[in-house]
Amino acid sequence: NAGVMQNPRHLVRRRGQEARLRCSPMKGHSHVYWYRQLPEEGLKFMVYLQKENIIDESGMPKERFSAEFPKEGPSILRIQQVVRGDSAAYFCASSPRQNYGYTFGSGTRLTVV
Amino acid sequence: GENVEQHPSTLSVQEGDSAVIKCTYSDSASNYFPWYKQELGKRPQLIIDIRSNVGEKKDQRIAVTLNKTAKHFSLHITETQPEDSAVYFCAADDLVGNTPLVFGKGTRLSVIA
Repeated sequence: NAGVMQNPRHLVRRRGQEARLRCSPMKGHSHVYWYRQLPEEGLKFMVYLQKENIIDESGMPKERFSAEFPKEGPSILRIQQVVRGDSAAYFCASSPRQNYGYTFGSGTRLTVV
Repeated sequence: GENVEQHPSTLSVQEGDSAVIKCTYSDSASNYFPWYKQELGKRPQLIIDIRSNVGEKKDQRIAVTLNKTAKHFSLHITETQPEDSAVYFCAADDLVGNTPLVFGKGTRLSVIA
């Protein structure tokens, strides 16, 4: 089992460009969570998805951010028109069910220049 | 919603000493409490978890205790080693609806050789 796969590991975008972050959950895991981490800070929840459904997006800004988890393929976190403040590490985690430990991916470190 | 407070934010101990990290939570409905370890530049990894039907759980040098009445839980690391140096996060699962794990802000543990 390859674990939770995130790509790219590092992403550099100029202000105004779009960033697409991909996450493939562990085999057998149908719950996907995206968290954002700023340097020296904790993990801030963004969005929780199950296949083809957004369960909770309360932590995700309404503008410029969107997420999906299609029936086939990885989960995608999309940030449009990136700004410097979007620079952070974005971690994806998956679990087989609720009330169960998460397995995190290695994260995507987004730098906006 | 759930709120998790974690203390201290930084902790330095001498190698061989014990380290204790404490967390409190707000939602009495929470019943799952995992702990994650994050080494510098790496992903958070689950190290131990406890559920509300258990008061204490041990795994070699680490243990977690839970006091549901007081709504707090703690991580104990005995005989600390330099490789224990990392940031530790506690979390709580609020089972109201389909809510994700809520994390504390982390404790940076430094074990001094």
